[in-house]
Order: sequence, then structure tokens, then C-alpha cells
Amino acid sequence: EAQVTQNPRYLITVTGKKLTVTCSQNMNHEYMSWYRQDPGLGLRQIYYSMNVEVTDKGDVPEGYKVSRKEKRNFPLILESPSPNQTSLYFCASSLSRLGDGYTFGSGTRLTVV
Amino acid sequence: GIQVEQSPPDLILQEGANSTLRCNFSDSVNNLQWFHQNPWGQLINLFYIPSGTKQNGRLSATTVATERYSLLYISSSQTTDSGVYFCAVERKTGRRALTFGSGTRLQVQP
Repeated sequence: EAQVTQNPRYLITVTGKKLTVTCSQNMNHEYMSWYRQDPGLGLRQIYYSMNVEVTDKGDVPEGYKVSRKEKRNFPLILESPSPNQTSLYFCASSLSRLGDGYTFGSGTRLTVV
Repeated sequence: GIQVEQSPPDLILQEGANSTLRCNFSDSVNNLQWFHQNPWGQLINLFYIPSGTKQNGRLSATTVATERYSLLYISSSQTTDSGVYFCAVERKTGRRALTFGSGTRLQVQP
């Protein structure tokens, strides 16, 4: 089944403790991206990657890092999480052409206390 | 940036009723998708529909790209249709990103 897999689905952590949210897709998509969803602010793009070793900032990149060493994986790294990063996170992938449809993962609900 | 407006913001239906959700966008787009966010937070892709009309069971969607709007039709609604429906578009130029509307919150009552 074609899908984007995120792990974990739920995570509660403490301020300052480094964490990684994994994202993997099995559709051979070149493009991958991370979004966060917050009440009243909607879904906003954090980072995106056009292909292996090519990443760039989205609308809200502060406090996050990403890497794209392999085509299928695009982890989101929070080096020093803070409570304002409590959010619902989504990974998405797509073929490379502008206008191709996106497939989203099931989401990761992160709480930073 | 591109603006995406959805209406109505909230909708309450009795089971079996029909509804139409609207999405207006402010610029030309290459991609338009409709998503359903279920009560568990998952984003379910309903339609990829930058233009034209598609149908999938009780759901159908129409996008009129030249007039910059899209409609999502839900017929014979069921309680499992409850949740938030998002329209998202990708502009024709610039950084690849989906811009989401603020959603329509649908509650279907038995």
C-alpha cells in the first residue's frame, strides 16, 4: 500500500530533550515536506525537500532541523524542544512536478512540557 | 501569498442530508486537494482536483479553475462524515507548498 509513515503517533517530552520524528514514504517520491497544525493558525510548512540532500525552509523553520540522506526518509529533528512546539505534525510527499498531488502521513501529536 | 477561503465555517446536519462546501482561492493554482480530518487528527485525502469534476461514492467535487473556486458535495451524510474538511492549493510559481483554508467543521447528528 502506498503510504507515508510517521512515528511516533503520540509523544510527550520535556523541554530541552532532543527528539526526532521519523517520516518514510514508499512511493519513490522526490518531494517531501513537514507541516505543523495549530488552533487558529491552521497548517503551516516547516521545511521541505525537493530531493536527496536538497532541503529548504518553509514558513516556520525556527527550532527545527531536517535531513534527507535517502529518498524515502525525511526526519524532523527538534534539538531543544520548547512548549511552543507543542503541535500536531504532518509529513507529506509528492512527485517532483509542481502541481502533483500530496500524500500525508497520519500525524504526530507532540506535547512539550 | 495565495488566500484560501472556505465556507461555511461550521455545519450541522442530520444524518441523510446533503451538503455543499465551498473553497475560493485568490490566484491561479496547479493543485487543489480536499482533505477530511477525522476526530483522531488524521488527514485523509479525498480528491486531487485542480480542475473538472470527480466522484467517489457519496462524495463529489468540482473545481472551476478559471473562476477560482471548488465545491465539495456530500450526499446522504453519515455520522462518520463528521470532522473538518480542508481545501488546500498549490500556487503555480515559487516554493512548493500547500496553502490550506481554515476548514469547514461538519457535525452529522444521528
